[in-house]
Amino acid sequence: GESVGLHLPTLSVQEGDNSIINCAYSNSASDYFIWYKQESGKGPQFIIDIRSNMDKRQGQRVTVLLNKTVKHLSLQIAATQPGDSAVYFCAETTGYSTLTFGKGTMLLVSP
Amino acid sequence: DGGITQSPKYLFRKEGQNVTLSCEQNLNHDAMYWYRQDPGQGLRLIYYSQIVNDFQKGDIAEGYSVSREKKESFPLTVTSAQKNPTAFYLCASSIEMGLYRGSTYEQYFGPGTRLTVT
Repeated sequence: GESVGLHLPTLSVQEGDNSIINCAYSNSASDYFIWYKQESGKGPQFIIDIRSNMDKRQGQRVTVLLNKTVKHLSLQIAATQPGDSAVYFCAETTGYSTLTFGKGTMLLVSP
Repeated sequence: DGGITQSPKYLFRKEGQNVTLSCEQNLNHDAMYWYRQDPGQGLRLIYYSQIVNDFQKGDIAEGYSVSREKKESFPLTVTSAQKNPTAFYLCASSIEMGLYRGSTYEQYFGPGTRLTVT
């Protein structure tokens, strides 16, 4: 399949562990953020989003934390499974413009 | 079954030839986008269109062209002027470009086309 993971930061975890993937964003005017998951050879899939008026949002097994003071975003995945292995991207926008994507982090989950 | 389709999945061309990548969506979305992805990099925006018959250059538009004659379709032409055309190309769409009316600005992605130019 297509490899998009060359030279990406990589996080290796054991199945059942909690994973934390970090993202530093660049634009202090950004007020909407999205996390995407991309499996090898496929297009990105939406995981969760958060607006700047929130500092935490939870989904199914995932939590996104936003720290606007230091322009930092994190994605926490609880009880990580082998099927979570993928490249994870954060994206930012002011909400009325195009999305700007980060370079991504590869998550490798060992059984 | 709604979604975005891109064809073909793999495309091979000789240097100096123009090639057109197909993107079709049946989600009734107004906005469509083309991204390029290289190994170890994030997605970079080539062109986007907020509405039929209108499109704007993204961050790396040089060597590419698009058209938006129908709401469902947003084909991308990679011209011979593009110096490094070999890449993974992703098409996406969203209800609109921005959070004007909705609470989410999710972009839905197609499966991608891997273009190799030799």
